Parts: sequence; structure tokens; C-alpha cells
Amino acid sequence: AQSVAQPEDQVNVAEGNPLTVKCTYSVSGNPYLFWYVQYPNRGLQFLLKYITGDNLVKGSYGFEAEFNKSQTSFHLKKPSALVSDSALYFCAVRPYFYNQGGKLIFGQGTELSVKP
Amino acid sequence: EAQVTQNPRYLITVTGKKLTVTCSQNMNHEYMSWYRQDPGLGLRQIYYSMNVEVTDKGDVPEGYKVSRKEKRNFPLILESPSPNQTSLYFCASSLTGSNTEAFFGQGTRLTVV
Repeated sequence: AQSVAQPEDQVNVAEGNPLTVKCTYSVSGNPYLFWYVQYPNRGLQFLLKYITGDNLVKGSYGFEAEFNKSQTSFHLKKPSALVSDSALYFCAVRPYFYNQGGKLIFGQGTELSVKP
Repeated sequence: EAQVTQNPRYLITVTGKKLTVTCSQNMNHEYMSWYRQDPGLGLRQIYYSMNVEVTDKGDVPEGYKVSRKEKRNFPLILESPSPNQTSLYFCASSLTGSNTEAFFGQGTRLTVV
């Protein structure tokens, strides 16, 4: 079965420190990879995506993500965390073939808490 | 402004009373989906549509219906809601079913008592 795992339910970081939110996936072929952020009482906002090419992709709000094909991982990173980054983060994968109308397969989410 | 609009944002209803959650997008996207979000499970696809009059089941379609009579609208229908359909629902649209990101609505928090 195709799946996405975010091994940490919660990540706690001090403001100004680097942050990493982990994501691994089990999907056949070369899927498309996405990160979304969800603030309280809001919808999901797109952060960044990996389609092909450079393994390090940059996105909104200073976030970046590193794709590692051999480890089937797509970890989200930011060099210096802000209190305003506190939110729920979702990793999502879209299979290349037979993807049910562009279905995104989501991880269970990681709650990021950045303390001053 | 490019957006996906869902209504209502919050809804409390009783078991068996039919309801519809509306979804509209203004980006002329072909692809639309409904997801439900439950704690610890992430988001799961309920139904999807790849064009007008083309809809199909996602991973958790039981108890739901959809229609796509116009490109911009994709309503979710619960004919006879049950308490296990208490959840947070999101509508999403995308230009393609491959390498373009999906845009999500604000969500509808449904409680069935």
C-alpha cells in the first residue's frame, strides 16, 4: 500500500534555531512531493514541491526541502525558525501513475511549536 | 484572488438529515477533490472529479455523493449523515493531476449528533 509517514507528532524548536520536519514515503515510481502548512481554523497552504531536478527545493516563508531518492525521504527544513512558523505541517505525495484524479496521499501531520 | 470557497464553515446536524457542503473554485481548474481530515490520519480522499460530469470514488467514499455539473462547483452530499462522518472536510482543486499543487478551501467542520 502507498503511504506517507511523518514520524514525529510534534517538533519543538527555539526561535532562531534550525528546524527539520521529517517525511518518508512508500510510493511506486517517481512521485511528486509536496509540503503544506495548516494554521488553526484555516485551510492547507502550499509551501513547496519537488517535481524533478535539484534535490533541494526552496519554497515560501524561507522553507526548503531536501529530496533523497535512496532513502525515499523529503524532509522540510528552515535555517532559522520563527514563532509564527508554529503550525501543523503535512507532507503529501502524488503518485505518477493511476493517481485517482491527482490524489494526494498525506502523512498524519507534525505539529511544529516554536518558542521565543 | 485565486481561491477555493467552501460553505458552510461549521455545521452541526442530526443523524439522517441530508446536507450539502458547497465548493467553488475560480481558477478554471479541471481537477477537484474532497478530503476528510481526522486526527492521526492526515487527509483522505473521498471523491474526485477530472472534468464536468466525470466523478469517481476516492479512498473513503461510503456515505457520500458528489456532482460536477459545472466546472467551478463540486458539492459534497451526505444523504443520511451518521456520527462517524463527524470530521473536518476540505475541498481542493488543481490545474492538472500531476505536477501542479492543489489549492484547498478553508474547511468545513461537521458534527453529526
